[in-house]
Amino acid sequence: QLVLTQSPSASASLGASVKLTCTLSSGHSSYAIAWHQQQPEKGPRYLMRLNSDGSHTKGDGIPDRFSGSSSGAERYLTISSLQSDDEADYYCQTWGTGIGVFGGGTKLTVL
Amino acid sequence: QLQLQESGPGLVKPSETLSLTCTVSGGSITSNSYYWGWIRQPPGKGLEFIGTLHYSGSTFYNPSLKSRVTMSVDTSNNQFSLKLTSVTAADTAVYYCAREVDGLWLRWFDPWGQGTLVTVSS
Repeated sequence: QLVLTQSPSASASLGASVKLTCTLSSGHSSYAIAWHQQQPEKGPRYLMRLNSDGSHTKGDGIPDRFSGSSSGAERYLTISSLQSDDEADYYCQTWGTGIGVFGGGTKLTVL
Repeated sequence: QLQLQESGPGLVKPSETLSLTCTVSGGSITSNSYYWGWIRQPPGKGLEFIGTLHYSGSTFYNPSLKSRVTMSVDTSNNQFSLKLTSVTAADTAVYYCAREVDGLWLRWFDPWGQGTLVTVSS
């Protein structure tokens, strides 16, 4: 069964960097994923598509501070030079056999 | 710039049918390159895929909801719709519509609507 696992929460200081993780279930380590950001009281926003080799393509207007990387079954979202409006929920998403699959989301707190 | 806007009743009674419409502006719903999707988010919880459809009629539904879901497209008004039957309190959620991009080895949602809260209560 295709499952995406994310830590429920993460925190980092203003101006610092943070690396969020999305783990693909066993047997699915080659899957590409997408990262989405959901700021408080807003709809999600697409950040990037991230392939198993770490190559990624960002959505329109997404700052260079956002980048992606991969290692095995893990997919990472790194945000550098953290700003206050980076405080949000971050979801990874992929596509199984005829169904979209979301991770449980990581709530990022900027200290 | 493509924009999507959900509309529909904010309150639905238990056992009745939830009906929502998504209006697409800034682009055509009849583009062969895209599907159109519905995703929901119960209060305080994560995102759940409901389904997607192509203007040609091809659909993908979440198996857990498939028996209750119907999605359709209205090309003349550049809209697509969601119907969810026999609703319960568990269907209370913010419902989002989104364009689904069919890329190589992955399909993803971009952009998203702002969402509409639907509460199931008598």
